[in-house]
Amino acid sequence: KAGVTQTPRYLIKTRGQQVTLSCSPISGHRSVSWYQQTPGQGLQFLFEYFSETQRNKGNFPGRFSGRQFSNSRSEMNVSTLELGDSALYLCASSLDNPGYEQYFGPGTRLTVT
Amino acid sequence: GNSVTQMEGPVTLSEEAFLTINCTYTATGYPSLFWYVQYPGEGLQLLLKATKADDKGSNKGFEATYRKETTSFHLEKGSVQVSDSAVYFCALTGGTSGSRLTFGEGTQLTVNP
Repeated sequence: KAGVTQTPRYLIKTRGQQVTLSCSPISGHRSVSWYQQTPGQGLQFLFEYFSETQRNKGNFPGRFSGRQFSNSRSEMNVSTLELGDSALYLCASSLDNPGYEQYFGPGTRLTVT
Repeated sequence: GNSVTQMEGPVTLSEEAFLTINCTYTATGYPSLFWYVQYPGEGLQLLLKATKADDKGSNKGFEATYRKETTSFHLEKGSVQVSDSAVYFCALTGGTSGSRLTFGEGTQLTVNP
């Protein structure tokens, strides 16, 4: 079974631009979560989608948004990019079984210049 | 809210040495506990999990036991290999945070031949 895939793997953007990242979950998984990883803040939860609805949200500004499609694929968008948005963005999918076992993709490395 | 505290790193060991990485948590209710591993340039891989008190998770020679009385989930391996060099993250879900993963700071492990 194919794992979680994320595209693109690497991205360089300029401050003020916007960016869209994509995540395809493991087949059959309906929950998709997004995390931001930085050296200073570590791994932080952005949001979770389940059956096209945002079910949980972390403490990030409204510039960070996401959505989920009927095939469970998910996208996250960051508008008005800031230098501090440079990070590894990780997507994880889950069957939503008890124990919330989540499987991660390789991540998208975003660099804001 | 939920929180996870890991032992400070980095940790450097010789091949075949015994490994312990300490992890303690704060959570309401009955969280599920996880260890994830991250190799350079990659996403997170689920190493093992435990979903209730006294459960022992194990995988690839690594073990961790869910200790509710001490709120701990320490990672151990009897004989490490050079290929175990990576960053290890302790994490939990459940309690007041639902399906969101709360991570520790991560512990960098380097194993020398």
